[in-house]
Amino acid sequence: AQSVTQLGSHVSVSEGALVLLRCNYSSSVPPYLFWYVQYPNQGLQLLLKYTSAATLVKGINGFEAEFKKSETSFHLTKPSAHMSDAAEYFCAVSGTSYGKLTFGQGTILTVHP
Amino acid sequence: NAGVTQTPKFQVLKTGQSMTLQCAQDMNHNSMYWYRQDPGMGLRLIYYSASEGTTDKGEVPNGYNVSRLNKREFSLRLESAAPSQTSVYFCASSDFAGSVTEAFFGQGTRLTVV
Repeated sequence: AQSVTQLGSHVSVSEGALVLLRCNYSSSVPPYLFWYVQYPNQGLQLLLKYTSAATLVKGINGFEAEFKKSETSFHLTKPSAHMSDAAEYFCAVSGTSYGKLTFGQGTILTVHP
Repeated sequence: NAGVTQTPKFQVLKTGQSMTLQCAQDMNHNSMYWYRQDPGMGLRLIYYSASEGTTDKGEVPNGYNVSRLNKREFSLRLESAAPSQTSVYFCASSDFAGSVTEAFFGQGTRLTVV
């Protein structure tokens, strides 16, 4: 069984500030982990993925995430927020069962000028 | 390259009516999925199809049926819509073949059941 917990349903930062979105997972098998972004009224777009090749994963738009097995975490960070980063972010985990994803509850990121 | 295409984009149904949500992908992916998105609950898997000719239940299958028409198309049917099925529905596809690749999502169908 797998589960994902995203800490904080809403995160607000100032433009230029550090973005930190938290994700903890539970998985009975070695996990594959993903971060997706959803802009208003759109589908989900992949930001980055962890598939055991490297613990620090770099994604699009300056985002990165670090896989920490000991903490069962996969937090998403960006050094400097931009107004265009305002969106909802989803952490997801997949085991080996046909690519099915289990999603966290989502975190809405607001960026203030 | 269209990716994953869903139709319709919006729909309003009356309780008890039926409808089919259509999904097609042009990436030659083996696996396809239907998720629903509700506020504060993320996305939850309704049904999936690991490969052409197979379908299986996900986390929240009650009230839904699916058909994998061919490798490209995967439809979701609501036989008797209920207000609890008001949601945003996403179709996705991936090229799962023993190792996980990312899923690609459609733009969603916003369904309201009154």
